[in-house]
Amino acid sequence: DVVMTQSPLSLPVTLGQPASISCRSSQSLVYSDGNTYLNWFQQRPGQSPRRLIYMVSNRDSGVPDRFSGSGSGTDFTLEISRVEAEDVGVYYCMQGTYWPHTFGQGTKLEIK
Amino acid sequence: QVQLQESGPGLVKPSGTLSLTCAVSGGSISSTNWWIWVRQPPGKGLEWIGEIYQGGRTNYNPSVMGRVTMSPDKSKNQFSLKLTSVTAADTAVYYCAHSATWSAGMDVWGQGTTVTVSS
Repeated sequence: DVVMTQSPLSLPVTLGQPASISCRSSQSLVYSDGNTYLNWFQQRPGQSPRRLIYMVSNRDSGVPDRFSGSGSGTDFTLEISRVEAEDVGVYYCMQGTYWPHTFGQGTKLEIK
Repeated sequence: QVQLQESGPGLVKPSGTLSLTCAVSGGSISSTNWWIWVRQPPGKGLEWIGEIYQGGRTNYNPSVMGRVTMSPDKSKNQFSLKLTSVTAADTAVYYCAHSATWSAGMDVWGQGTTVTVSS
């Protein structure tokens, strides 16, 4: 299985400040069609996960533009330009290139 | 907009069979989409269990291979998960989810249902 490794696992952030989460895969996520299938999810406390970003950098409908994704190959980043209170929760990366699809361990974002 | 709702017993005995159903509304189980099960043990992260697509083809996680069956019920517009020989390690919140493609992750999630394996 492809191992997805996130860092940090805990991320205390001051309101209004930026935040960055790293996700690394144990092998390249570039598929034979040239696309890279790395997705990001947010899970707020007590809620189901919600997809934020698909294929590295495409924001889902309704996701604030303060969220952005970047990266290539094996190294990826989710950035929040200015953290708001509603961003508290756990963030997961997930690779869709290989079966079984696998998630990172999760990064818990909290407000300082 | 597709909506999903899981249902099934909340308590299963060890060595028994876990059976869950996901009712689909706002879309057809027969469409060219992927219908997925994900679970989350208490206090832990997410695990992709498997998926149904093209009306009945499946992919499963090797971690549950041999114990898992997913199937569609087109007459009721729902799909199901069966997991046999369960142990305490199968205790989790089980989510059904939808994806429009095989690779872009789940764009719609159910609310999740808690299943506890205990005697």
